[in-house]
Amino acid sequence: AQSVTQPDIHITVSEGASLELRCNYSYGATPYLFWYVQSPGQGLQLLLKYFSGDTLVQGIKGFEAEFKRSQSSFNLRKPSVHWSDAAEYFCAVAPYFGNEKLTFGTGTRLTIIP
Amino acid sequence: DAGVIQSPRHEVTEMGQEVTLRCKPISGHDYLFWYRQTMMRGLELLIYFNNNVPIDDSGMPEDRFSAKMPNASFSTLKIQPSEPRDSAVYFCASSAGAGGETQYFGPGTRLLVL
Repeated sequence: AQSVTQPDIHITVSEGASLELRCNYSYGATPYLFWYVQSPGQGLQLLLKYFSGDTLVQGIKGFEAEFKRSQSSFNLRKPSVHWSDAAEYFCAVAPYFGNEKLTFGTGTRLTIIP
Repeated sequence: DAGVIQSPRHEVTEMGQEVTLRCKPISGHDYLFWYRQTMMRGLELLIYFNNNVPIDDSGMPEDRFSAKMPNASFSTLKIQPSEPRDSAVYFCASSAGAGGETQYFGPGTRLLVL
């Protein structure tokens, strides 16, 4: 079965600094990869997703992620964070096209300091 | 569109009572998902429907849990009898079509079983 690992439980970043959140997956083939964000007390919102093609994916709110097959990683990045980016971020994987079962990582909580 | 609507937003009940959570998916979406989020287990898929038919309920923890989707605009998740370990945030999500289409999450129901 596929699995997703987010090694960082909590990250603190200064406003305006760059951000990278790590995500590693375990699956034999190339899975379908997603990043979701959850603001406090809210549901999850999709930031971006990767199915195939260009390994650098652009998402909403200025986020991007890069798929690296050799490292089984799909790290999320943002060049300059804003206080409103404080939230919990989840990486998720679906095993193949048409399979709707997402497996989520445990999440990384992002704190922004002034 | 109003997005995915869940009710109630908060529920406090006593052990042994029946709990019913409700979800209205986004109009036109043909997939509906129920998730549970806890600190210990993270975000877990409980069950999902396609065109009102349950497709995969392997995540339903035990027979105390049941889910129905009587029509395209309404679904329920029922716990009977409830136990303290069922305390969690329950999310409903919907998507349009297969193939990793974006899942849109509701705001969740926070359930506390005393």
